[in-house]
Amino acid sequence: GAVVSQHPSWVICKSGTSVKIECRSLDFQATTMFWYRQFPKQSLMLMATSNEGSKATYEQGVEKDKFLINHASLTLSTLTVTSAHPEDSSFYICSATRQGAWEAFFGQGTRLTVV
Amino acid sequence: RKEVEQDPGPFNVPEGATVAFNCTYSNSASQSFFWYRQDCRKEPKLLMSVYSSGNEDGRFTAQLNRASQYISLLIRDSKLSDSATYLCVVNPGGGADGLTFGKGTHLIIQP
Repeated sequence: GAVVSQHPSWVICKSGTSVKIECRSLDFQATTMFWYRQFPKQSLMLMATSNEGSKATYEQGVEKDKFLINHASLTLSTLTVTSAHPEDSSFYICSATRQGAWEAFFGQGTRLTVV
Repeated sequence: RKEVEQDPGPFNVPEGATVAFNCTYSNSASQSFFWYRQDCRKEPKLLMSVYSSGNEDGRFTAQLNRASQYISLLIRDSKLSDSATYLCVVNPGGGADGLTFGKGTHLIIQP
């Protein structure tokens, strides 16, 4: 089956630094990938839609200058949390859908802790 | 009104029992519906999709009621390994739209 790989699994960083999270589709090409965030005991919230070769589409309330998304190839999307603050601590997870299909495959998620 | 609403639970159920939970959605134009399972600190994994005609996969049965805009999941003969959070998921537009998740229903199967 399709596999989406996300790295790192967890990261602890200092306040003010930037963190890059990678999301790769391992056995299929994904023209669209999605980035979600999940706070404790909350639902997954869509942050942005990452489109290969074009700008990402951000959901309302998500700062595009803070959460930089790059989808430079059909198998890789990256999310960079810039100038991270403790309130950015969360579980970040990506998903991708094979073209023409509906099932979303999720990466393993990245638990970010900003201290 | 929240887009996808679920009772967060927790539902504490003895092993072997049957448990059911529902989910309501607000967007009547929604195209696709799913139940995902999420274990603690893990990514969600597809449990089953939900069709208007109802569908069954082993001990799991999913139903969709478009008129009332709700989705249900029934688990029969529950196992300890069924303990997890069950996420009701709606794809509002079909195709390559982002999914809308409910908060999830936390299920605990007790021995």
